[in-house]
Amino acid sequence: NFMLTQPHSVSESPGKTVTISCTRSSGSIASNYVQWYQQRPGSSPTTVIYEDNQRPSGVPDRFSGSIDSSSNSASLTISGLKTEDEADYYCQSYDSSNQVFGGGTKLTVL
Amino acid sequence: QVQLVQSGAEVKKPGASVKVSCKASGYTFTSYYMHWVRQAPGQGLEWMGIINPSGGSTSYAQKFQGRVTMTRDTSTSTVYMELSSLRSEDTAVYYCARRTTHLDVWGKGTTVTVSS
Repeated sequence: NFMLTQPHSVSESPGKTVTISCTRSSGSIASNYVQWYQQRPGSSPTTVIYEDNQRPSGVPDRFSGSIDSSSNSASLTISGLKTEDEADYYCQSYDSSNQVFGGGTKLTVL
Repeated sequence: QVQLVQSGAEVKKPGASVKVSCKASGYTFTSYYMHWVRQAPGQGLEWMGIINPSGGSTSYAQKFQGRVTMTRDTSTSTVYMELSSLRSEDTAVYYCARRTTHLDVWGKGTTVTVSS
């Protein structure tokens, strides 16, 4: 089994850009799609990015995803930060037999 | 609209079992796999397993092998997750989530509290 490692927390000011990383411990990050889920307190997760860089309808284009094979990591970038973006963000990927979530990153917009 | 409606909160004693239901509506139940994910208080998301509502095949996370059973009832469009030999560490919110290209619809979660 592999692990996905995220920073525990990040913070940035409204209007700025923040990037959250997600590093895969073994196996290629490019071999299986990466999803990103947003979870606000008391709510179920919702998808902000799927299949590495696809946005579901309704998710603003301020949210973007990418992968970097050289660092074996995925990234979620949120530009033009808004206070409503404050939430926990989880990356998720899989291999042949398991789905794996990263530990989550708490984004504070202050 | 697509909905996943989960059963209500449960309080169980250590060693007991719990069975959580997840009733799907607004789409063809047998067309999409269903995942179960749990979240302990203040912790992250943890994948438990997946069920194919069409044929009933399942795959479980190694951590839960032998303790978890996922089933479905196509007549009521409901999937079930049963966890046995409960311990305090199983106290969590349990979510079902439909998989398309991603986990696109989630239930609101079922809180399971394990306490003596």
